Amino acid sequence: DAKTTQPNSMESNEEEPVHLPCNHSTISGTDYIHWYRQLPSQGPEYVIHGLTSNVNNRMASLAIAEDRKSSTLILHRATLRDAAVYYCILEQLTGNQFYFGTGTSLTVIP
Amino acid sequence: EAGVAQSPRYKIIEKRQSVAFWCNPISGHATLYWYQQILGQGPKLLIQFQNNGVVDDSQLPKDRFSAERLKGVDSTLKIQPAKLEDSAVYLCASSLDWAGRQFFGPGTRLTVL
Repeated sequence: DAKTTQPNSMESNEEEPVHLPCNHSTISGTDYIHWYRQLPSQGPEYVIHGLTSNVNNRMASLAIAEDRKSSTLILHRATLRDAAVYYCILEQLTGNQFYFGTGTSLTVIP
Repeated sequence: EAGVAQSPRYKIIEKRQSVAFWCNPISGHATLYWYQQILGQGPKLLIQFQNNGVVDDSQLPKDRFSAERLKGVDSTLKIQPAKLEDSAVYLCASSLDWAGRQFFGPGTRLTVL
């Protein structure tokens, strides 16, 4: 299984940027980096994904280290609705299997 | 666009009883997944279907769990007989094809007493 390591929890003040780190030192050249988040009592939802280059979408940005052994999910302006567990996942292209870790629980302080 | 539908949303059973969960994926999605999420943990993949064929069921406890996806659309996951440690949320997800973004349903919360 492709492994990722994330901090168990983080806090952020509302309307400030949040940087959520993820280590994936065993990543292979064809593994995509995915981020999903799970709000309380809901299924996970897609946030962003990338391979080598940094990616931006309306929800967040993904910064990928040059050696691809780590990445950072950036929420530019945290809101209370961003409070969730954020999962960093490596997608192995042999079958699109996702291996979730325990994720980072983000608390947003008003 | 309609999302992934699951039913029931909640189920409480006694140990050794049987239970079944139903999932209707997003229309046109060829790949369907069942995950088990125990409280405080991330989801764990149980089985993955591509159309009506099984791609991966290596983490499915086959002595008590079974799943099928007849006609390549809806799917059911069954537990028979249930154990206390099966208490969890069972999530269904689908994707357009074998790689890419997965869309998750709301899950079924199972409590085994």
